[in-house]
Amino acid sequence: KNQVEQSPQSLIILEGKNCTLQCNYTVSPFSNLRWYKQDTGRGPVSLTIMTFSENTKSNGRYTATLDADTKQSSLHITASQLSDSASYICVVTVNTGFQKLVFGTGTRLLVSP
Amino acid sequence: NAGVTQTPKFQVLKTGQSMTLQCAQDMNHNSMYWYRQDPGMGLRLIYYSASEGTTDKGEVPNGYNVSRLNKREFSLRLESAAPSQTSVYFCASSEEARTNYGYTFGSGTRLTVV
Repeated sequence: KNQVEQSPQSLIILEGKNCTLQCNYTVSPFSNLRWYKQDTGRGPVSLTIMTFSENTKSNGRYTATLDADTKQSSLHITASQLSDSASYICVVTVNTGFQKLVFGTGTRLLVSP
Repeated sequence: NAGVTQTPKFQVLKTGQSMTLQCAQDMNHNSMYWYRQDPGMGLRLIYYSASEGTTDKGEVPNGYNVSRLNKREFSLRLESAAPSQTSVYFCASSEEARTNYGYTFGSGTRLTVV
């Protein structure tokens, strides 16, 4: 069964600190892995997309890593800001020709002043 | 630069009522999707339209119908709403329904069925 699991479920950090969110997946055949940011009451917004051959990708203060051998990914947020408070969703695409996206349940991050 | 626009943003229905959720995109994308998001679960695909004139079922299509009205618009219809359909509904679009293309999501419709 295709599954995406994220940890922790929720996290509180102080403004200016760094944090790392984890994603483990059991998806086959793998196509790509995406990280999305979802603000409360809004739709998900794409942060990064990584294919099998990519092991790191950055978008500003967000850096995603991918280990396709262990089927793990992480999202590192540097120098957190209050606006980083959101849910972060890991999504893995199953390679069926059609983009079948398998969504994790997300990590809810709260950045405290 | 609207992206994906969904209407309405909020809706309360009584069991058995019908309604249509509207979605429009202005990015000239070929593919469009409807998802639902429930507490403690990842987004689940209801229906998708790989290109204008085609629609296909996703993971959870029961109780829903869709219409790809034209390249821009993709609507979701609940014929007889049930409390189990209480959820947040997201429309999304992408250039093509193939791998490695990014999705753009709308802001969602929060639906409550009482």
